[in-house]
Amino acid sequence: GQNIDQPTEMTATEGAIVQINCTYQTSGFNGLFWYQQHAGEAPTFLSYNVLDGLEEKGRFSSFLSRSKGYSYLLLKELQMKDSASYLCAVRDLSGGYNKLIFGAGTRLAVHP
Amino acid sequence: ETGVTQTPRHLVMGMTNKKSLKCEQHLGHNAMYWYKQSAKKPLELMFVYSLEERVENNSVPSRFSPECPNSSHLFLHLHTLQPEDSALYLCASSQDEDRAGTEAFFGQGTRLTVV
Repeated sequence: GQNIDQPTEMTATEGAIVQINCTYQTSGFNGLFWYQQHAGEAPTFLSYNVLDGLEEKGRFSSFLSRSKGYSYLLLKELQMKDSASYLCAVRDLSGGYNKLIFGAGTRLAVHP
Repeated sequence: ETGVTQTPRHLVMGMTNKKSLKCEQHLGHNAMYWYKQSAKKPLELMFVYSLEERVENNSVPSRFSPECPNSSHLFLHLHTLQPEDSALYLCASSQDEDRAGTEAFFGQGTRLTVV
């Protein structure tokens, strides 16, 4: 089966850096995604990792270690608009087709 | 505009009603998905369609019935629902290939309330 764990809530200060961790267990790992979801809105894509290492995209970076079943999302220069839920999702290929399995999400509150 | 459109945005239905949720994607993707999002719970994958064929039915009760008439359209037919089925129902699409740029795009969701 699949299991994805991430912290439920985090708080941070405007301008600071925050790291959101995600650990996963899956039999058919085929990539890891991070999504952002503001309250009442659809999830929107942030980043994708399939190989080990760091992917950087502006203020957002995502890291993957496949051997450890571990990823993190790093947000720099936090802004108030970054207050949202951040969803870690694993693409699983067991069964012969891709499906995206989500963690419960980390609710981030950014304070002035 | 995400390229994935869901209607209606809000739906209130009684337990004896029959209704349908509609999803349309304008991205040329070959896979579509239904997810259920309840408060404090992870997004739950309900159904997967790949190349218009249902490839996953994730132990969803038969009161939820999906339909995928073509690669651009996906429906979720609802009948005799229970109050615990009240949730946000999200449709997503993706290009089912093993490469970057195959992220799933989500619609805005249908907020369903069963009374």
